[in-house]
Amino acid sequence: NAGVTQTPKFRVLKTGQSMTLLCAQDMNHEYMYWYRQDPGMGLRLIHYSVGEGTTAKGEVPDGYNVSRLKKQNFLLGLESAAPSQTSVYFCASTKNYGYTFGSGTRLTVV
Amino acid sequence: ELKVEQNPLFLSMQEGKNYTIYCNYSTTSDRLYWYRQDPGKSLESLFVLLSNGAVKQEGRLMASLDTKARLSTLHITAAVHDLSATYFCAAGGAGSYQLTFGKGTKLSVIP
Repeated sequence: NAGVTQTPKFRVLKTGQSMTLLCAQDMNHEYMYWYRQDPGMGLRLIHYSVGEGTTAKGEVPDGYNVSRLKKQNFLLGLESAAPSQTSVYFCASTKNYGYTFGSGTRLTVV
Repeated sequence: ELKVEQNPLFLSMQEGKNYTIYCNYSTTSDRLYWYRQDPGKSLESLFVLLSNGAVKQEGRLMASLDTKARLSTLHITAAVHDLSATYFCAAGGAGSYQLTFGKGTKLSVIP
């Protein structure tokens, strides 16, 4: 049982480049989330999904897009990366009260 | 909008001492979580508190919830070096599946 798997684990982008972060869960969870973690800021919610085909904005959605075409996958896209998007990104999923977090993606935009 | 405030943000304590981390939240919440994070790692779930007066203990850590005061505490008993980490609390808004995190408390236990 893999839980929540994030790919890639590390990535360096140049300003203006695009990329997609993949989150996959094998627990049949309905709810999935993307958070970013910056020093001294805790985790802040970017976007979330309450089921296949649905997405919603969180606290800091600007500059990101998401898609949930399949229940087990939640994709986070950066269309034109900016240095301010340098961060560690965590995906999480839940069905009831227990949240499972992925191992994180460390993204650096130069 | 639910806001979560933790204090202190930094805590340096000697081994063997006791201390408490506080987590205040601004609006009605129906669940409160405590997580531990080691440097470069993901979040490890410590406690889930679902009702007023809930108290949970695991080893040297004990968490409690007072929904009337909108306050949760994480009490550390007889600290040891292995407890050095960053601790986060997170609250879920009533009727919402979103979690709002505090900024974290970086705990350093000094021998």
